[in-house]
Amino acid sequence: DVQLVESGGGLVQPGGSLRLSCSASGFTVSSNYMSWVRQAPGKGLEWVSIIYGADNTYYANSVKGRFTISRDNSKNTVYLQMNSLRVEDTALYYCARPMTTTAVDAFDIWGQGTMVTVSS
Amino acid sequence: DIVMTQSPDSLAVSLGERATISCRSSQSVLYSSNNKNYLAWYQQKPGQPPKLLIYWASTRESGVPDRFSGSGSGTDFTLTISSLQAEDVAVYYCQQYYTTRPLTFGGGTKVEIK
Repeated sequence: DVQLVESGGGLVQPGGSLRLSCSASGFTVSSNYMSWVRQAPGKGLEWVSIIYGADNTYYANSVKGRFTISRDNSKNTVYLQMNSLRVEDTALYYCARPMTTTAVDAFDIWGQGTMVTVSS
Repeated sequence: DIVMTQSPDSLAVSLGERATISCRSSQSVLYSSNNKNYLAWYQQKPGQPPKLLIYWASTRESGVPDRFSGSGSGTDFTLTISSLQAEDVAVYYCQQYYTTRPLTFGGGTKVEIK
């Protein structure tokens, strides 16, 4: 069964750091485009980052320079390292996989999300 | 950035009636080399992750009821629920995947029962 399970969320103070994990099963992250999408409480969806190919990465302007996406193929896991966290980063963070392995595509596989709360 | 604008923000439709949601992109998401519109629609129910409904603007995802349909091309797109059912109460989002710099979603449309 194809599945994504996020973990690592929690409460952190402004300026702090957190690392989110997205563990995949049923497919290999190394051969897929993998992305993070977040949703602030009561708000819409916001794309955060994507990784693909030979570690090509892209970021939303709102997180560029603060967040880093990476993957560990041996653990079949994708990470989101979040530094210099701000109150406005508070959100439910989803891991998502596009439909095809060779291009950016619609996201057909989503995890349940992990909640990040940035507050003093 | 490609800005995705959905309308309306919310709508209330009677059971069995048609619901129509609009999505407009600030630039075309039609890729001329393959004549495909890089546009998807998602449904999100409370406490759940988004669920893919439609991709390539009009291709229904496997298992999605045929009362859901997508149409449009270029910059103007529509999601139609032909006969609203109680289980269709949700927030619906459009998304462009024409470019990853950045990928963008619409603001969402909340569909309720009148």
